[in-house]
Amino acid sequence: ETGVTQSPTHLIKTRGQQVTLRCSSQSGHNTVSWYQQALGQGPQFIFQYYREEENGRGNFPPRFSGLQFPNYSSELNVNALELDDSALYLCASSLPGGQGNYGYTFGSGTRLTVV
Amino acid sequence: AQSVTQLGSHVSVSEGALVLLRCNYSSSVPPYLFWYVQYPNQGLQLLLKYTSAATLVKGINGFEAEFKKSETSFHLTKPSAHMSDAAEYFCAVRGDDKIIFGKGTRLHILP
Repeated sequence: ETGVTQSPTHLIKTRGQQVTLRCSSQSGHNTVSWYQQALGQGPQFIFQYYREEENGRGNFPPRFSGLQFPNYSSELNVNALELDDSALYLCASSLPGGQGNYGYTFGSGTRLTVV
Repeated sequence: AQSVTQLGSHVSVSEGALVLLRCNYSSSVPPYLFWYVQYPNQGLQLLLKYTSAATLVKGINGFEAEFKKSETSFHLTKPSAHMSDAAEYFCAVRGDDKIIFGKGTRLHILP
């Protein structure tokens, strides 16, 4: 089975710019969740996609948006970047509710730096 | 609402000594609980998970955790620490189709 892959691994953007991060889910998983992990903190839930629709959202502003495609891969888009958006962005794929032996499988993340 | 609290942001143990990382949970429903490990500059790797089956859960790399409902705890243990265990460890609980993480405990292994 292939795991979760995220691209790019590192990214530097300027404040005010827009960024798109990508995630390919593990084979057999149809649900994708995105998390933001600031330095020294635990991951914080941004949102989840199931059947190409947003299916739950954390406490993040609307400039954080996403997409899920028919092959279950996903994108995270962030508009009007702020310095505080600098973080490791993690993607996790799963079956609905984290069912099955693997639960939630995480990718290695994208390290975003906003300058 | 579900939540987890990890006691101790940093824990240091000697190589070969017992590892004990503490986690307490709060949940209004029977919880699904997880322990994840994060090595520097990497993503999260699942160590083990509790899904209301056996209360003693065995995971990878010699780690195990015991679910204690009376104490609302899910502490992570390993009998003998190895240098390669140095990492950040996160306790987490499933809630409303998302995972809620604790703030993490950094484990240091002393030679």
